[in-house]
Amino acid sequence: DAGVTQSPTHLIKTRGQQVTLRCSPKSGHDTVSWYQQALGQGPQFIFQYYEEEERQRGNFPDRFSGHQFPNYSSELNVNALLLGDSALYLCASTTRGLGANVLTFGAGSRLTVL
Amino acid sequence: QQQVKQSPQSLIVQKGGISIINCAYENTAFDYFPWYQQFPGKGPALLIAIRPDVSEKKEGRFTISFNKSAKQFSLHIMDSQPGDSATYFCASSYRSSSNTGKLIFGQGTTLQVKP
Repeated sequence: DAGVTQSPTHLIKTRGQQVTLRCSPKSGHDTVSWYQQALGQGPQFIFQYYEEEERQRGNFPDRFSGHQFPNYSSELNVNALLLGDSALYLCASTTRGLGANVLTFGAGSRLTVL
Repeated sequence: QQQVKQSPQSLIVQKGGISIINCAYENTAFDYFPWYQQFPGKGPALLIAIRPDVSEKKEGRFTISFNKSAKQFSLHIMDSQPGDSATYFCASSYRSSSNTGKLIFGQGTTLQVKP
C-alpha cells in the first residue's frame, strides 16, 4: 500500500516564477492538507481540501492556491515566487472517518527560490 | 491562542538514557495531541498521540505525559537508541469535521543519541 506520494522531490525556481506541486493521498483517504516547513521549523498549515473544495486555510497569501481532483489527488500552486517561499512543502492525507487528525505525510517537495 | 511551544530546541542523550521533550499549548479547545518523528529527507511520521481524558499513554519505549491544568504535555523516550536520532514535533488540534487535516506544530526538537 503506497503512502502519500509527492512530486517533484526537488525543484529550483527564480523569483517571480510560478510552481505546481503534486500529491497523491494514501489509498482510502479523501482529505488532503498542505504544509510549508521552513528549514529548522515545524510544518505550518497552508490549506485543506475535501470533496474538491478548499475547506480551511491557514495564514498564507492568495499567491498560494490549490486544487483537488475527483480521484482525491491534489495540487499546490504558488505564484509570484519570493525568496521566502523556499521550503519543504508537505502533503498530508487523512479521512474524516478517522475522527481525528491522524495524518499521513509524504516525503515532501523541496523548493528553492533563487 | 494557536501557538504550541516546544523545548528544548536540541537534545543530546547517551545510549540507554531517557530523552524528554516538552510542549505547552494555549488553546483550551485542543483535544488531540500527537507527536511526530521526522528523519532527514523524510516527511513527519506519527509516533504516538493522546487525548486529554487520560494523563499518560505508553507505547513501547515511548510515553506521553499530559497535564491538562498546566496545558502541557511531554514525550519520554526510555532506553534511547542511536536509531531514535531524529527531529521530534509535538502538535495540537481539536476535533471537528471542518478542522480535519489541520495540526498546529511546535518548532521541533533535534535529538541526538550518542552510542
